[in-house]
Amino acid sequence: RKEVEQDPGPFNVPEGATVAFNCTYSNSASQSFFWYRQDCRKEPKLLMSVYSSGNEDGRFTAQLNRASQYISLLIRDSKLSDSATYLCVVNRGGGADGLTFGKGTHLIIQP
Amino acid sequence: NAGVTQTPKFQVLKTGQSMTLQCAQDMNHEYMSWYRQDPGMGLRLIHYSVGAGITDQGEVPNGYNVSRSTTEDFPLRLLSAAPSQTSVYFCASSLVQGARGYTFGSGTRLTVV
Repeated sequence: RKEVEQDPGPFNVPEGATVAFNCTYSNSASQSFFWYRQDCRKEPKLLMSVYSSGNEDGRFTAQLNRASQYISLLIRDSKLSDSATYLCVVNRGGGADGLTFGKGTHLIIQP
Repeated sequence: NAGVTQTPKFQVLKTGQSMTLQCAQDMNHEYMSWYRQDPGMGLRLIHYSVGAGITDQGEVPNGYNVSRSTTEDFPLRLLSAAPSQTSVYFCASSLVQGARGYTFGSGTRLTVV
């Protein structure tokens, strides 16, 4: 089983719509969870951390289900500028540093 | 603050050549790491460091060496470049282990011919 699995997409979504991404992770020792955004040929940038209680940052909402080892990201009122690849990321845990990345979900917002 | 600075941005090497990719951060971060990104693959961890003088292997360490003599710098050395090492390399740093995510440099695009 891959360590972090995501649907690669692409997701083609009209501007203003709501879109949801999911990912699953296999390492039960992981304690920290993130969504990163990566634009074409650029470095990943932290979008938001993900907490068990769920958390919201403006139009973005992230949820974590530790029992199912499942992470989600919801984007409301999508903008053209939201077009990017969204990376689901977990820390390696178990005393090891560093991150494990999913391959990313490609989102295209259409006018 | 400059954040995480990587040099060079682009590099072409011949098979068998060696080189060092530079990474420097000015945020006093203890945790630093190197990743490579290949088409169709997620970023993969090469080596990491939890502080000056301490390094450890990640997921794909073969063919690479690292050292951490200062908090600010974490260079990645390619010992004998191979075409399989053609990739985009990202350096990242974090103040607190894992909890707040990592800040990434802008990357080095390496081609080995």
